[in-house]
Amino acid sequence: KQEVTQIPAALSVPEGENLVLNCSFTDSAIYNLQWFRQDPGKGLTSLLLIQSSQREQTSGRLNASLDKSSGRSTLYIAASQPGDSATYLCAVSLYGNKLVFGAGTILRVKS
Amino acid sequence: SQTIHQWPATLVQPVGSPLSLECTVEGTSNPNLYWYRQAAGRGLQLLFYSVGIGQISSEVPQNLSASRPQDRQFILSSKKLLLSDSGFYLCAWSAGGHEQFFGPGTRLTVL
Repeated sequence: KQEVTQIPAALSVPEGENLVLNCSFTDSAIYNLQWFRQDPGKGLTSLLLIQSSQREQTSGRLNASLDKSSGRSTLYIAASQPGDSATYLCAVSLYGNKLVFGAGTILRVKS
Repeated sequence: SQTIHQWPATLVQPVGSPLSLECTVEGTSNPNLYWYRQAAGRGLQLLFYSVGIGQISSEVPQNLSASRPQDRQFILSSKKLLLSDSGFYLCAWSAGGHEQFFGPGTRLTVL
């Protein structure tokens, strides 16, 4: 059974700091991995999608890497801003359909 | 561009009452559709997914059912709600087995 773990559970940093969120999964036979952002009481916003054949994806200040063999992914956020405060969720896709989610990392960026 | 709608946004229902949540997608054809539930302390869990009209796969045994009467419409139902059905219900779509995009969600409280 695929399990996804995210570390840390919560993170508080000063504005401007670079930070790394970690995601690990138990079964390396994934189809793809997706990082999401969720604001309180809202739906999920897709940030980055990494196919199983890819090593990393970048969008603006965000960079996500994937090491399938070791079952790990990291989300790097450069020059953090208060507007980045949210819950970040990692999810792996099995057979291209089912997403298995981690519990998330709650990020707070202090101004 | 594609958009996904869910309604109602919030719902308060008594135990034993019926439920109908609706999700519609615009701007795409033959999407894969998904229902997830986010319960406090339990993370996001896939409930149902559909790859076409009338084709529903259930992921967990429960008090809920899903239907897809039209290509871009996905409905989550229950005949009699339980307290444990409370949570945040999210609908998502994807083109094939690729990146999933989520709706704004429905907050259900069962009293």
